[in-house]
Amino acid sequence: AQKITQTQPGMFVQEKEAVTLDCTYDTSDQSYGLFWYKQPSSGEMIFLIYQGSYDEQNATEGRYSLNFQKARKSANLVISASQLGDSAMYFCAWVIQGAQKLVFGQGTRLTINP
Amino acid sequence: DTAVSQTPKYLVTQMGNDKSIKCEQNLGHDTMYWYKQDSKKFLKIMFSYNNKELIINETVPNRFSPKSPDKAHLNLHINSLELGDSAVYFCASSPTSSGTGVYEQYFGPGTRLTVT
Repeated sequence: AQKITQTQPGMFVQEKEAVTLDCTYDTSDQSYGLFWYKQPSSGEMIFLIYQGSYDEQNATEGRYSLNFQKARKSANLVISASQLGDSAMYFCAWVIQGAQKLVFGQGTRLTINP
Repeated sequence: DTAVSQTPKYLVTQMGNDKSIKCEQNLGHDTMYWYKQDSKKFLKIMFSYNNKELIINETVPNRFSPKSPDKAHLNLHINSLELGDSAVYFCASSPTSSGTGVYEQYFGPGTRLTVT
């Protein structure tokens, strides 16, 4: 069965530092996508960034970038210049092309310290 | 201009009751989903519908019955509520599940269900 793993239950980072949140996945499928979502304490799920398995360039969205290493099956989220508002749960999610069923990792709770 | 809305936001009820959660999206998407987030924050898909047709049913008890009156709405009815049903239920939608691509899913604000 497909599996997605976030090995960091919690992370503490100083404001303005960069932070990398780890995500690895286990699949034999060739066509798939990887997503990162943010869940602040208010509870909503906010889409951050997406990477397709055939995309040659790493995805970037503002301060967010995705370090995609296909051979290692990892899709780490990098947040540059962290802000207090970045404190939240972060979820990595995987989906096989066509299935549209998101499979989520366990999440990482990120805390940004002033 | 809410894209995906859910009602109610909070639902507190007793064991054995029947309750419904409603979801509506105004994005023109073809596919809608229900996810459950448990007390440990783990998110798992329950159902998905494409153009009112059930396409994913992830080993969810029969007490849970989704209904899609049209492609903009997906409701979740739960019979004989149990303590273990306490969770946050998220509705989501995406443009399509036609098999030709991967699409971002847009989530609603969630419904926190507490069964006492």
